[in-house]
Amino acid sequence: GENVEQHPSTLSVQEGDSAVIKCTYSDSASNYFPWYKQELGKRPQLIIDIRSNVGEKKDQRIAVTLNKTAKHFSLHITETQPEDSAVYFCAATDSWGKFQFGAGTQVVVTP
Amino acid sequence: DVKVTQSSRYLVKRTGEKVFLECVQDMDHENMFWYRQDPGLGLRLIYFSYDVKMKEKGDIPEGYSVSREKKERFSLILESASTNQTSMYLCASSGQGSYNEQFFGPGTRLTVL
Repeated sequence: GENVEQHPSTLSVQEGDSAVIKCTYSDSASNYFPWYKQELGKRPQLIIDIRSNVGEKKDQRIAVTLNKTAKHFSLHITETQPEDSAVYFCAATDSWGKFQFGAGTQVVVTP
Repeated sequence: DVKVTQSSRYLVKRTGEKVFLECVQDMDHENMFWYRQDPGLGLRLIYFSYDVKMKEKGDIPEGYSVSREKKERFSLILESASTNQTSMYLCASSGQGSYNEQFFGPGTRLTVL
């Protein structure tokens, strides 16, 4: 089955700096890669996703890149703000829509 | 607006009790999922369902069962609760196919004493 590894487990950045979270997956048939943000005490919510036929996608300060050959994808957050502090999860999905999540990255943005 | 609700935010049970966690979605989604969330382990899939009366084991099904009698409702059952089942339980739903966002419920924090 699919296995998703996520690094780092914690990430501390100064406000205004960039943050990068990396994930690798094992199943070459995976075709959809969502990223979820979970603020303290709240439910995970989708922030950006990418399909396997696309190499990069951007939405304001966040972007995701996908390297299918190497089986890794990354989340980039630029100009970080305190409200970006949260746990971020990557996931890879199979053709049925079943997700395999990474272990999560705790991002702390310090003023 | 998609809405996924769970029957309880907090639940305290005793070892050996039978526990029911219920999840309801109002978007006519075919797929429903139960996860448990533990620090450092991410979201681990317990069971999922692609249709009414259909269920499939996820990565950690031991000690759990599920029921889906109606499309909008997916129940997680702990037949005999144990202390190692103390966790946050999250329900999610999505449409059919591989490109669909999963929408999560608010979670149930279960403590087994």
